[in-house]
Amino acid sequence: SAVISQKPSRDICQRGTSLTIQCQVDSQVTMMFWYRQQPGQSLTLIATANQGSEATYESGFVIDKFPISRPNLTFSTLTVSNMSPEDSSIYLCSGRDGNYGYTFGSGTRLTVV
Amino acid sequence: DQQVKQNSPSLSVQEGRISILNCDYTNSMFDYFLWYKKYPAEGPTFLISISSIKDKNEDGRFTVFLNKSAKHLSLHIVPSQPGDSAVYFCAALKNTGNQFYFGTGTSLTVIP
Repeated sequence: SAVISQKPSRDICQRGTSLTIQCQVDSQVTMMFWYRQQPGQSLTLIATANQGSEATYESGFVIDKFPISRPNLTFSTLTVSNMSPEDSSIYLCSGRDGNYGYTFGSGTRLTVV
Repeated sequence: DQQVKQNSPSLSVQEGRISILNCDYTNSMFDYFLWYKKYPAEGPTFLISISSIKDKNEDGRFTVFLNKSAKHLSLHIVPSQPGDSAVYFCAALKNTGNQFYFGTGTSLTVIP
């Protein structure tokens, strides 16, 4: 199955700044997704990253806050914009490799101070 | 709206005994279910899956059972080993989409 390298693994950021998280897959995957896990909660889908077009966002998430790029089938970025302490979470990317073949990155632990 | 629920946040089991992790769901459109294992500082790792056309799937020490009428699935680990200590997430997929619906996880501790 595909292997996903995600970075940074963790960061501490100032309120009002932005952070871009990158995911690189070692093989082409048909779909990529971005998730958030807030403390004590389950993984929540932020958006589906579409190659060469705008991401598809889930209810409660907007492009201005979480811009996503996917320039090709092996790479995607998620930016957390104008951060506040409420954005402190683990952010996780995932790739779908064939039918139900999902793999995950190692996650980014973000702390906003 | 939590459509997939894991009501036990933690579970402790002696090494060599059976670990049973439970998961309940509410949406009858889910047709594929997965279990993931997560170690600290790592992303989830796929463990085992089951399609709604089956009621049991086995892979080595891991068996997943699905009871569609009860909207319940469980993961059995036999025999449990200390290396199994991790957080286990169940997840469900609808037959119409790609979005995972994850449970909140159960932290399993296997005591040597």
